[in-house]
Amino acid sequence: QSVLTQPPSVSGAPGQRVTISCTGSSSNIGAGYSVHWYQQLPGTAPKLLIYDNTNRPSGVPDRFSGSNSGTSASLAITGLQADDEADYYCQSYDTNVREVFGGGTKLTVL
Amino acid sequence: QVQLQESGPGLVKPSDTLSLTCGVSASSISSGDWWGWIRQPPGKGLEWIGYIHYAAGAHYNPSLRSRVTMSIDTSKNQFSLRLTSVTAVDTAVYYCARIVYSVPYHNRFDPWGQGTLVTVSS
Repeated sequence: QSVLTQPPSVSGAPGQRVTISCTGSSSNIGAGYSVHWYQQLPGTAPKLLIYDNTNRPSGVPDRFSGSNSGTSASLAITGLQADDEADYYCQSYDTNVREVFGGGTKLTVL
Repeated sequence: QVQLQESGPGLVKPSDTLSLTCGVSASSISSGDWWGWIRQPPGKGLEWIGYIHYAAGAHYNPSLRSRVTMSIDTSKNQFSLRLTSVTAVDTAVYYCARIVYSVPYHNRFDPWGQGTLVTVSS
């Protein structure tokens, strides 16, 4: 059972918009700690996708965006492409455990 | 840019100690950054193991604290993970990563090593 809760899977057709939620609590996201998102393509290491809730590292397309409110955060992907098919993880700091990850969400592009 | 590379045995016997090393290139391990380990059991999600700073010490996941030790070798620009008394549930891909933050405690992992699979089996 992960401290941060994500839906196990989401799907969308090419060109569509999908969102992935990350629900925490008052000891992590709700305490104001930043949420970061990682993309893990099949057979590869996770890669930082969004940091400090809304910021994109250099090279990450603006089709990817992050937001948060209260004890939850969301990752949005617009203009869905086939090579967006991957696992996505949220991560934050928790006052009890320190670093925590969501359970991961598998994105399928139909 | 900073690159990390894990190394170590791919097979460890139950009750033995798992030992891995992460070599760092294009950055000094005593630069002031924290360096960490994350693992991922086959087909499952990510679990933070801990992180270490060359001067400030280490912090470990409470669920693993009794079995984990991390260390830094500044002469070789690498850091290491030891996990004692392993069982099959410790079978996972182990990643090393640099910890980056804009504000303290708002830590993120970037970049990551490619990962190394460690299987616990007799």
